[in-house]
Amino acid sequence: DAKTTQPNSMESNEEEPVHLPCNHSTISGTDYIHWYRQLPSQGPEYVIHGLTSNVNNRMASLAIAEDRKSSTLILHRATLRDAAVYYCILRTNYGGSQGNLIFGKGTKLSVKP
Amino acid sequence: ETGVTQSPTHLIKTRGQQVTLRCSSQSGHNTVSWYQQALGQGPQFIFQYYREEENGRGNFPPRFSGLQFPNYSSELNVNALELDDSALYLCASSLGGTIWNEQFFGPGTRLTVL
Repeated sequence: DAKTTQPNSMESNEEEPVHLPCNHSTISGTDYIHWYRQLPSQGPEYVIHGLTSNVNNRMASLAIAEDRKSSTLILHRATLRDAAVYYCILRTNYGGSQGNLIFGKGTKLSVKP
Repeated sequence: ETGVTQSPTHLIKTRGQQVTLRCSSQSGHNTVSWYQQALGQGPQFIFQYYREEENGRGNFPPRFSGLQFPNYSSELNVNALELDDSALYLCASSLGGTIWNEQFFGPGTRLTVL
């Protein structure tokens, strides 16, 4: 299985940028890097994904290292609502299923007012 | 557009019983995946259904089974419940089983086995 390594927890101040790191040294050439987050008492929600190039959307930016062995999720201005567990996931063909997500423990982000 | 819904919200069963959890996928989605999330852990993939056929399975025993119906809603059945089956069960729907499609999760069913 493709695996990722993330810090267990991080803290941020409200309205400041947050950089959430993820290491995935065993990534293969066809693995997509996905980020999901899970707010308290909710199911996970999609944040962003990428393959090789940096990506931006309304929620966040994803910076992918040139060798693809690491990536960083960037929240440009953290709000209290961004307090959640953030999961970095390598999405790959697995056991014949192309659609499942393999979650780790993620990074618990706390945002201080 | 209706999101992913799951029922029931909470459920309490005793060891050895059987349980059925239900999931209605988002409109237009033909793929449903089920996950088990123990307290303090990330979700673990159970299986996926694509157009009514099982399309991949995680490391779960056969007493975990599922169905997908023609309207793409789905059921998760667990037989011979064990204490360790206590968890949040999440379903997620998507359009196709590709590795780049976004999965939309429901709020989950909290199962407690006593």
